[in-house]
Amino acid sequence: QSVLTQPPSVSGAPGQRVTISCSGSSSNIGTYHVYWYQHLPGTAPKLLIYLNNQRPSGVPDRFSGSKSGTSASLAISGLRSADEADYYCAGWDDSLTGWVFGGGTKLTVL
Amino acid sequence: EVQLVESGGGLVQPGGSLRLSCVASGLTFNKNWMYWVRQAPGKGLEWVANIKYDETEKNYVGSVKGRFTISRDNAKNSLYLQMNSLRVEDTAVYYCASGDSIDYWGQGTLVTVSS
Repeated sequence: QSVLTQPPSVSGAPGQRVTISCSGSSSNIGTYHVYWYQHLPGTAPKLLIYLNNQRPSGVPDRFSGSKSGTSASLAISGLRSADEADYYCAGWDDSLTGWVFGGGTKLTVL
Repeated sequence: EVQLVESGGGLVQPGGSLRLSCVASGLTFNKNWMYWVRQAPGKGLEWVANIKYDETEKNYVGSVKGRFTISRDNAKNSLYLQMNSLRVEDTAVYYCASGDSIDYWGQGTLVTVSS
């Protein structure tokens, strides 16, 4: 059971917008920044969002992140088939003195 | 372009040891936090350990404390993970990663613990 809670799966049609939630606590999201990663099986995970809502160079603005209290979310607009992947939220937890990842959410583009 | 290349994975019996290595290029290695993150078959990502650029801080997930040791050689742009007393549940793809935001990741190396 992960410290950060994500829905196991989400889906949407091409062109639609989906959101993925990430629920934590005061020892992690409530105090520290949230990061989001995209992972296609067999490849290296990719940083999508850092410091709650910042996009690294090269990540399209279709991806956006937000945080409120002890929860965060990743929004993906203009869905494309290439967006099918597993998405993970992550951040520091000072109770565990380490990084924690959500359980991951599998995005299916219908 | 940042490149992280892991090596050292393989098949090992329970109770055995293995040493993973990661060579980095395209970044100022001695100014970056480095990490090991793993993914067990059919499971999600799990942070294993991290190490500060000057080795003054090292952190481990609870399940590997006392068994795994993270280290680095800044002169060789290399990161290591010494894994002792391996268990079946340590079977996973192990990724090397770098940066304050765990920005860059390698392709991973598979560790299989089985009799």
